Amino acid sequence: GIQVEQSPPDLILQEGANSTLRCNFSDSVNNLQWFHQNPWGQLINLFYIPSGTKQNGRLSATTVATERYSLLYISSSQTTDSGVYFCAVVRAGNNRKLIWGLGTSLAVNP
Amino acid sequence: NAGVTQTPKFQVLKTGQSMTLQCAQDMNHEYMSWYRQDPGMGLRLIHYSVGAGITDQGEVPNGYNVSRSTTEDFPLRLLSAAPSQTSVYFCASRAGVITDTQYFGPGTRLTVL
Repeated sequence: GIQVEQSPPDLILQEGANSTLRCNFSDSVNNLQWFHQNPWGQLINLFYIPSGTKQNGRLSATTVATERYSLLYISSSQTTDSGVYFCAVVRAGNNRKLIWGLGTSLAVNP
Repeated sequence: NAGVTQTPKFQVLKTGQSMTLQCAQDMNHEYMSWYRQDPGMGLRLIHYSVGAGITDQGEVPNGYNVSRSTTEDFPLRLLSAAPSQTSVYFCASRAGVITDTQYFGPGTRLTVL
C-alpha cells in the first residue's frame, strides 16, 4: 500500500517563528489533506490540496504531485497553532480510504 | 449545519459489555467512516461506508460492526468490549467517495476495564 511519511516528527518554536512541515507519499494520489489536531483532540481540516498551492491566513500548503510531496507552511506562529499536524492521502485509482501519516507534533512557546 | 456529531463523548465499559457509538452528519455526505486513535499509532480506519446500505472494512475491523441504513447515520457497535478497544473513536464524513474535504466529529473517549 501507499506509504505516508511526515517530517519532522516533533517541532518546538518560539511564538512568531515560521516553519515548514513536509509530507512524502509513495504513490500517485487523488486526494491529499492536511489536518490539525488541537490539544483538546479536535481534528480540523486545514487544506484539501491534491495538487497546487493554497493559502488561508498564516497557513499555506503546496503539493507537488509529480514529485510526491506536500508542504505545509506556518508563518508567524502562535501558541494556538500547537498540536499535531497530519497529512492524509487517497491513493489514485478506485480507492476510497484516507491513509494517514503519523503526524508532526508542534509546540509553540510564548 | 451541526456538521458531524458523535455521542457519547465519554464511556466506560466492563469487559464483555456491548455498546453502540452514534454518529450523524447533516451535510448529505456519501462517505462516512470510523477511526480509532491510539498513542503513537495515528488514526486507523475501522469501517467505512460509501452510501446507504453499503459498508466495508478498514484496517482494524475485528470486534466492531457497522450499518448504514440512512445517509445521515453511521453507528459503530462494539460486540463484546475488550481492554484493547480502549481508545478515542472518531467518526468522519466527506461529500465525495474519493475526493473532497473530510470532516470529523468531536470524538468518543472509550475506556474498557
